[in-house]
Parts: sequence; C-alpha cells; structure tokens
Amino acid sequence: AQKITQTQPGMFVQEKEAVTLDCTYDTSDPSYGLFWYKQPSSGEMIFLIYQGSYDQQNATEGRYSLNFQKARKSANLVISASQLGDSAMYFCAMSLSSARQLTFGSGTQLTVLP
Amino acid sequence: DAMVIQNPRYQVTQFGKPVTLSCSQTLNHNVMYWYQQKSSQAPKLLFHYYDKDFNNEADTPDNFQSRRPNTSFCFLDIRSPGLGDAAMYLCATSKGTGGPNEKLFFGSGTQLSVL
Repeated sequence: AQKITQTQPGMFVQEKEAVTLDCTYDTSDPSYGLFWYKQPSSGEMIFLIYQGSYDQQNATEGRYSLNFQKARKSANLVISASQLGDSAMYFCAMSLSSARQLTFGSGTQLTVLP
Repeated sequence: DAMVIQNPRYQVTQFGKPVTLSCSQTLNHNVMYWYQQKSSQAPKLLFHYYDKDFNNEADTPDNFQSRRPNTSFCFLDIRSPGLGDAAMYLCATSKGTGGPNEKLFFGSGTQLSVL
C-alpha cells in the first residue's frame, strides 16, 4: 500500500521569500507519480506540479519547483518569491500505475505574511 | 472554459434525510471521482467511474451511492446522512488514459452540513 506523509501542519513565510513544503512517500511500485495541489479557503483543488518516478530532472512550473530525491523518497515543493495569494492548504499526492486514484497527504497550511 | 462544476456550493440537510450532490464536466473525461474531505483532513476517495464502470473503495460506507447517467454528469447520493457525513465533497475527473501521470481536475466542492 502507498503512503504520503506531510509532517508540517502549518508553515509561515514572509512575502517574497522562498518556502519549502515537505513530502515523503512510501511505495513498492517502481512506477508512480507525485503531485502537488493547492487548496485555497474557497475549496477547489488546484493542480500545481507533477513529477514522474522515472523523470531525470526535477519538475518546475513558474514559481513552483519540486525537489525530487528518489533514494530518500521525498518530493518537496519549493515556492519561490512567495505572494500573499499563496496562502492556502497544500497537498502532496501520489498515483500508481497499478491503481487509478490519488492518495493524498494530510496537507500543510501555508500562511504568507506581509 | 472547460471545467468541472459542482452544485450546490453549500448544502444543508437533516439527519437521516436523503441528499444528492451533483457534478458535471465539460472536459469529456472518461473517469469521474468522488472524494470526501472532512475538516483539516486529506481528501478520501469514495468511488470512481471509468466510463460506466463503477469502482467502489473497500471502506466506503453503504450509505453512499453514486450514479453516472452519461459522460457529463455524476451524482453522489447519501441515503441517510449522519452527523459524521458533514464534510466537503469534491468531484474530480481525469482522461482515463492510465499511467501514474494522469492529472485530476477538481470542482469547487460541495460543503455538506447535517443538522
């Protein structure tokens, strides 16, 4: 069975600073995908970034980058130049090639301070 | 814009009174999912449809049912809501091409309150 762990229930960051949100995972499946979603207080889940288990390079999407360390089974999200609008809940999630579903971590509540 | 739409945004029901939540999509995706998300918790998959094939998670209570009359619409029926069923219900879709890189597209959710 797969498992996603987010150990930071809450994080604070100063506006314009960078922040790293931690995510570790556990699976015996060699083919998997790792996702980060943002959930503002309004409720919708917004896709941010994806990393495949066989991808050689770390994924980047604008201000978002994923620090993928396969041997350590970690997939941390880095947000550069934080903005007030980045305040939200952030979920790390994993999918397997053998199962059609996403398994979510418990989330990290990020607050950007002016 | 193509999207996943959930109605209503907020739903209030009484203990034991059946309630239906709806989801529609204009993405023409094969797969539709229902997730339950309780306050400050991770979303939990209840079930999903691949086209017309229904896939129930092992620990989804029998109180929860779903219907997918066509590609665009999917409904979540709660037959006898209990206080513990108060939650945000998220509908999502995906293309259904398979593989671990399949991205899910979510609606805005329906916040269910049970009185």
